[in-house]
Amino acid sequence: KQEVTQIPAALSVPEGENLVLNCSFTDSAIYNLQWFRQDPGKGLTSLLLIQSSQREQTSGRLNASLDKSSGRSTLYIAASQPGDSATYLCAVQEKTYKYIFGTGTRLKVLA
Amino acid sequence: SAVISQKPSRDICQRGTSLTIQCQVDSQVTMMFWYRQQPGQSLTLIATANQGSEATYESGFVIDKFPISRPNLTFSTLTVSNMSPEDSSIYLCSVGGTGFSGNTIYFGEGSWLTVV
Repeated sequence: KQEVTQIPAALSVPEGENLVLNCSFTDSAIYNLQWFRQDPGKGLTSLLLIQSSQREQTSGRLNASLDKSSGRSTLYIAASQPGDSATYLCAVQEKTYKYIFGTGTRLKVLA
Repeated sequence: SAVISQKPSRDICQRGTSLTIQCQVDSQVTMMFWYRQQPGQSLTLIATANQGSEATYESGFVIDKFPISRPNLTFSTLTVSNMSPEDSSIYLCSVGGTGFSGNTIYFGEGSWLTVV
């Protein structure tokens, strides 16, 4: 049974810092991995999707990497801003459009 | 991308009652899903809503408790039946499928239910 774990569970950093969020999964037979952002009281917003054949994806200040063989993904946020404060979730796709979600990392960027 | 509307956005419900949540998408989608997010927890898939046939439920979820309808490719409902305080959660509709790039799935804003 696939399990997705995210470390750390919570993180508080001063504005401007570069930071790394970690995601690990137990079964490497995935179709893709997706990183989401969830703001308090809101739904989920997709940030980056990495296909199983890809190693990384970039969007603005965000970079996500995928090492399928070791069951790991990282989300790198450069030059963090208070607006980045949110919960970040990673999810792996096992079967057609079925996603298993991680436990989330609650990020707070201090001004 | 897809615009997903969920109703209600929030509700406070009495124990033992049932509530139906609606999910409307602005374009036809192949796949629609219902997730639950309990307080402080991550998302758990309840079921896949199949157009024109019975939903496919995940382990731990049953049709009697969470009946789902999907009459067409843009609309689905989830009913939470005979509610108890343990059903207090965020219920999220998500969509994916033909027309969306790279298997991306999209989520609605969620329906926040509190059972008292």
